[in-house]
Amino acid sequence: GDSVTQMEGPVTLSEEAFLTINCTYTATGYPSLFWYVQYPGEGLQLLLKATKADDKGSNKGFEATYRKETTSFHLEKGSVQVSDSAVYFCALSAGFNKFYFGSGTKLNVKP
Amino acid sequence: NAGVTQTPKFRILKIGQSMTLQCTQDMNHNYMYWYRQDPGMGLKLIYYSVGAGITDKGEVPNGYNVSRSTTEDFPLRLELAAPSQTSVYFCASSRQDSYEQYFGPGTRLTVT
Repeated sequence: GDSVTQMEGPVTLSEEAFLTINCTYTATGYPSLFWYVQYPGEGLQLLLKATKADDKGSNKGFEATYRKETTSFHLEKGSVQVSDSAVYFCALSAGFNKFYFGSGTKLNVKP
Repeated sequence: NAGVTQTPKFRILKIGQSMTLQCTQDMNHNYMYWYRQDPGMGLKLIYYSVGAGITDKGEVPNGYNVSRSTTEDFPLRLELAAPSQTSVYFCASSRQDSYEQYFGPGTRLTVT
């Protein structure tokens, strides 16, 4: 069945460091891919999305490219800030009732 | 706008007790969802609804029931709580024409 695998955390970085959080997926069709972010005490918020192969989603300095050949959707940011500290979830959707989430990666950014 | 609200934030239940987790959205979204998140795991879909009066099972529905009498509300009922239901529960909603889901802050439930 469809599934998402993302790197385990926590990931600890210094401010202004480069961030990569790996995400790979398994899907039988052509899913849409998402990154959600969860700040402490809050619900998940959509960070970015890509709906077809080679699409690049971007928001708030974060980017991820839908790579069909490697079934990946890695999240990157060139220079992280303390305010980026949160839990990041990779997800895929194969339909409105078929959402699959990764286990989440906690990011800690130190000043 | 409040978005998606959930109550309570925390709850401790004894084995065999029952309770209802409340979820309300004020965005007039047709689609609503209940997920659970176990430690170290991704979210798993429990039930979903595509509109008032219409509900269907997700990936892990056993031990739960839902109802959708209005567009705004989508309560999740736990009957005969079991330790395996200890989890964090998230409610979400979305528009009919969008995959973007809006999440509530979650309910942390412990069954002992």
